[in-house]
Amino acid sequence: AQSVTQLDSHVSVSEGTPVLLRCNYSSSYSPSLFWYVQHPNKGLQLLLKYTSAATLVKGINGFEAEFKKSETSFHLTKPSAHMSDAAEYFCVVSGGAQDSWGKLQFGAGTQVVVTP
Amino acid sequence: ETGVTQTPRHLVMGMTNKKSLKCEQHLGHNAMYWYKQSAKKPLELMFVYNFKEQTENNSVPSRFSPECPNSSHLFLHLHTLQPEDSALYLCASSQSGTTNNEQFFGPGTRLTVL
Repeated sequence: AQSVTQLDSHVSVSEGTPVLLRCNYSSSYSPSLFWYVQHPNKGLQLLLKYTSAATLVKGINGFEAEFKKSETSFHLTKPSAHMSDAAEYFCVVSGGAQDSWGKLQFGAGTQVVVTP
Repeated sequence: ETGVTQTPRHLVMGMTNKKSLKCEQHLGHNAMYWYKQSAKKPLELMFVYNFKEQTENNSVPSRFSPECPNSSHLFLHLHTLQPEDSALYLCASSQSGTTNNEQFFGPGTRLTVL
């Protein structure tokens, strides 16, 4: 069984300040972890993914996430927020090799607001 | 066109209508998915197709009927829907058999049931 919890439903940051989106997961197997972003009226776009290689993963648009097995966390960060980062962000866990049908478990999402 | 496309982008229908949503992927993938995204709720997986065979039906009501004629196309046939079925319907595709299961999403169809 697998699950994912996004600890904040809303995050508000000022432009130019750091962004932190928190995610905790549980998985019976070595998981694959993803962060997706969804801008208004758009589909989901992959920001980055962890697949048991380097624990610090760099993604698009300056985002990165660190896989911490001991804390079962996969928090998403960005050093300096931009107005275009305003969107909803989803943390996602997959069962990995044991789940070859690609079933993903989505978190409830974190809405990010960026103020000037 | 590249990636995953969905048509129509917006659909308004009455409860007695019959309509279909279409999804097409241009990525050479062999797995396709339908998701439902409702306000204030996590993304819900509805159906999974692998090599054109349905491998997952997540307790979806029979008023939703999927069809996958080939690995590139996926349809969702709708009939006698309820207002609570109003949502964003997202299609995704992936290469099954890989360990990272990355899915690529279309822009979605915004469905409103009157």
